[in-house]
Amino acid sequence: QVQLQQWGAGLLKPSETLSLTCAVYGGSFSGYYWSWIRQPPGKGLEWIGEINHSGSTNYNPSLKSRVTISVDKSKNQFSLKLSSVTAADTAVYYCARGEGPIVGATGFMDVWGQGTTVTVSS
Amino acid sequence: EIVMTQSPATLSVSPGERATLSCRASQSVSSNLAWYQQKPGQAPRLLIYGASTRATGIPARFSGSGSGTEFTLTISSLQSEDFAVYYCQHGGTFGPGTKVDIK
Repeated sequence: QVQLQQWGAGLLKPSETLSLTCAVYGGSFSGYYWSWIRQPPGKGLEWIGEINHSGSTNYNPSLKSRVTISVDKSKNQFSLKLSSVTAADTAVYYCARGEGPIVGATGFMDVWGQGTTVTVSS
Repeated sequence: EIVMTQSPATLSVSPGERATLSCRASQSVSSNLAWYQQKPGQAPRLLIYGASTRATGIPARFSGSGSGTEFTLTISSLQSEDFAVYYCQHGGTFGPGTKVDIK
């Protein structure tokens, strides 16, 4: 059974770079798209972006200028970097496995990580 | 950009009753629509994909229907564990969610 385990810094200051990593255990890494999603406190879900095992990426246009998603196939891991964070980036960040590319509009996310709370505060 | 809307924002239902949740897309998304359930402090859980296919392990009381711009998630007989927030999703866009709470 596939499990996603994520980790990263939980407290950042404004202008710093958010960095999170998600490891995939118990299943294939190739053949899927791997996404990051976030949820501000008390609000809904926002898709950030995705990557496949080959390193092909798609990003939410609203965050594209600040987001980098990368993959380490040797470790079955993928990572998120979000630069120049502000208080508006405070959220729970989730990694998830995508069945099909999300940007291709047919994709959906069937396995989720446990979530990491990231707080941006001076 | 396709906009997803959900109604109602909150649905108050008694245990054992049927719950009907709606999701609307601003333009046709064919059957490319998924539903998720999220409980407080937990990650979302995939319920339905392809508008009507239940994900692995999802009880039969959950059903999805619709195509084009109008979609419905039905919970036939609400159990205590079903009180949660439900989101629809198409592509990189989630709906704002419907909270199902106890009447």
